[in-house]
Amino acid sequence: NAGVMQNPRHLVRRRGQEARLRCSPMKGHSHVYWYRQLPEEGLKFMVYLQKENIIDESGMPKERFSAEFPKEGPSILRIQQVVRGDSAAYFCASSPKIESVGEQYFGPGTRLTVT
Amino acid sequence: GESVGLHLPTLSVQEGDNSIINCAYSNSASDYFIWYKQESGKGPQFIIDIRSNMDKRQGQRVTVLLNKTVKHLSLQIAATQPGDSAVYFCAENTGGFKTIFGAGTRLFVKA
Repeated sequence: NAGVMQNPRHLVRRRGQEARLRCSPMKGHSHVYWYRQLPEEGLKFMVYLQKENIIDESGMPKERFSAEFPKEGPSILRIQQVVRGDSAAYFCASSPKIESVGEQYFGPGTRLTVT
Repeated sequence: GESVGLHLPTLSVQEGDNSIINCAYSNSASDYFIWYKQESGKGPQFIIDIRSNMDKRQGQRVTVLLNKTVKHLSLQIAATQPGDSAVYFCAENTGGFKTIFGAGTRLFVKA
């Protein structure tokens, strides 16, 4: 059973470009969480999605950031018009059911660098 | 704001010794706590969890202690090995969807 997959692992964007990060949850998992991690800091919750639904996006900036988890395909975290402050590692995690909110399996992360 | 924090940012221990990593939390409504290990370049890996109706839980070489009176959580690693070198995060959950992570403690294991 493959773990959570994220791609790309590394992404470099110039200021003003769009960044698109993908996350494929573990097989059978229908809950996806996105986190952001700055160097030497803990993970900050961004958004929680189930298939075709955003459940909690309270940790995601209102502008430029969006997330989706379509019926088919991976979850996508999209950052429009990136700025240097968006440089960070972005992790997604998946869980099998809502009761397992603490039982999250993390992907390897996407390291975004904005130049 | 964040309600989970750690006392020590770095911890250096000799191989074979026991390690204790501490964590303080401020949200008394939190009822579920998790410890994660994060190795360089990787995502966090679940180590052990504990619910607020318990004060101790043991796993393989790891023990988590919860003191709700002082809102303190600790992770004990027995017979620390070089492979234990990583950053350790405590995290809390209040039963909702959001898991709050602490800042992390870096553990160095000296051979």
